[in-house]
Amino acid sequence: DAGVIQSPRHEVTEMGQEVTLRCKPISGHDYLFWYRQTMMRGLELLIYFNNNVPIDDSGMPEDRFSAKMPNASFSTLKIQPSEPRDSAVYFCASSSDYNEQFFGPGTRLTVL
Amino acid sequence: GNSVTQMEGPVTLSEEAFLTINCTYTATGYPSLFWYVQYPGEGLQLLLKATKADDKGSNKGFEATYRKETTSFHLEKGSVQVSDSAVYFCALCYTGNQFYFGTGTSLTVIP
Repeated sequence: DAGVIQSPRHEVTEMGQEVTLRCKPISGHDYLFWYRQTMMRGLELLIYFNNNVPIDDSGMPEDRFSAKMPNASFSTLKIQPSEPRDSAVYFCASSSDYNEQFFGPGTRLTVL
Repeated sequence: GNSVTQMEGPVTLSEEAFLTINCTYTATGYPSLFWYVQYPGEGLQLLLKATKADDKGSNKGFEATYRKETTSFHLEKGSVQVSDSAVYFCALCYTGNQFYFGTGTSLTVIP
């Protein structure tokens, strides 16, 4: 298995633009997680899905952030409009029941 | 609630020194405990885990023992190498597959 795949690996955009981050979980995993990592706040859980259904989105910072999982092999995290304070590394992770989470390589987002 | 508290960093050690990174947890019930490692520019990857009290997780010379009586899961390595330089995260998983991560401890090993 190729592991968790994220794209793009790097994204530079201007304030106000829409940003879409993509994730392909490991086949057979029924949990998918989106995290944000910054120096100031560390690793933060934004949202997680079970069997494509959002279970807890309490970590999503505000309405500008949205996440979808249309099927078991694909998820998106969208920021619209983006702001400089959204600059961070965004990680996607997947797991099966009560097992370790497997992380993707992350997307480094820079909002100018 | 569930939470993890780990040692503040950064930690700087000389090669072949002994490493301890402290981790304590708060949880209702009996969580599984994990140590993850993040190398520069990469995602987190599992280093070791323990699923019940008194279990010892080990990998790549690292060890941690699940101590229920002290609610701790301290990471140790007898002789660190330059290649161990990374950020180490303690985490617990209690229910629903939701992980609670510590703030991370940065380790730098100098030759």
